[in-house]
Amino acid sequence: TQLLEQSPQFLSIQEGENLTVYCNSSSVFSSLQWYRQEPGEGPVLLVTVVTGGEVKKLKRLTFQFGDARKDSSLHITAAQPGDTGLYLCAGVLTGANNLFFGTGTRLTVIP
Amino acid sequence: NAGVTQTPKFQVLKTGQSMTLQCAQDMNHNSMYWYRQDPGMGLRLIYYSASEGTTDKGEVPNGYNVSRLNKREFSLRLESAAPSQTSVYFCASSEYGPPIANTEAFFGQGTRLTVV
Repeated sequence: TQLLEQSPQFLSIQEGENLTVYCNSSSVFSSLQWYRQEPGEGPVLLVTVVTGGEVKKLKRLTFQFGDARKDSSLHITAAQPGDTGLYLCAGVLTGANNLFFGTGTRLTVIP
Repeated sequence: NAGVTQTPKFQVLKTGQSMTLQCAQDMNHNSMYWYRQDPGMGLRLIYYSASEGTTDKGEVPNGYNVSRLNKREFSLRLESAAPSQTSVYFCASSEYGPPIANTEAFFGQGTRLTVV
């Protein structure tokens, strides 16, 4: 079983729609990151959240860290084709060194 | 603005062959990492180097060795390749860490390795 489960695995939506991607775990994380990865490229960091309940906004993207620091969500408003990609959450367990990645959500935004 | 450069981009190996994946960064970062990415598994840490001259095992180190040649370069070696090592390999670097999440990490473009 994966430490971080992301849902949905695949998401195909029309341009202009809103969407939310979830990242869930039964473990507590000291921090959590979201990355976007495009085909043939490495992941690119979007945001880091460190405080339970924290909300960060990056243009049309809103990231939230759960109060208990076990889960996170990524909400995209008015999706655009340029948002297409693989979205990965990744977290550091409290007291550990390693960064564990989720399984990813592959988003396709259709023009 | 090269960032993190990996070579080669693609490689096909026969079972039992050896090879070294090269990684270099030009950002003067202290920490470097090797990850593998498999469908449905996300990225998993193989080895990391928190500073020049040090290396440590990550989540899935078996079958791999690494060398932190200098501050810029961190190589990953497969001594006897197995089909289970078919994967996409990513090198990353960060100014400090681990954990990598305390700082921004930069990833290379990846090496797609197939072992037949």
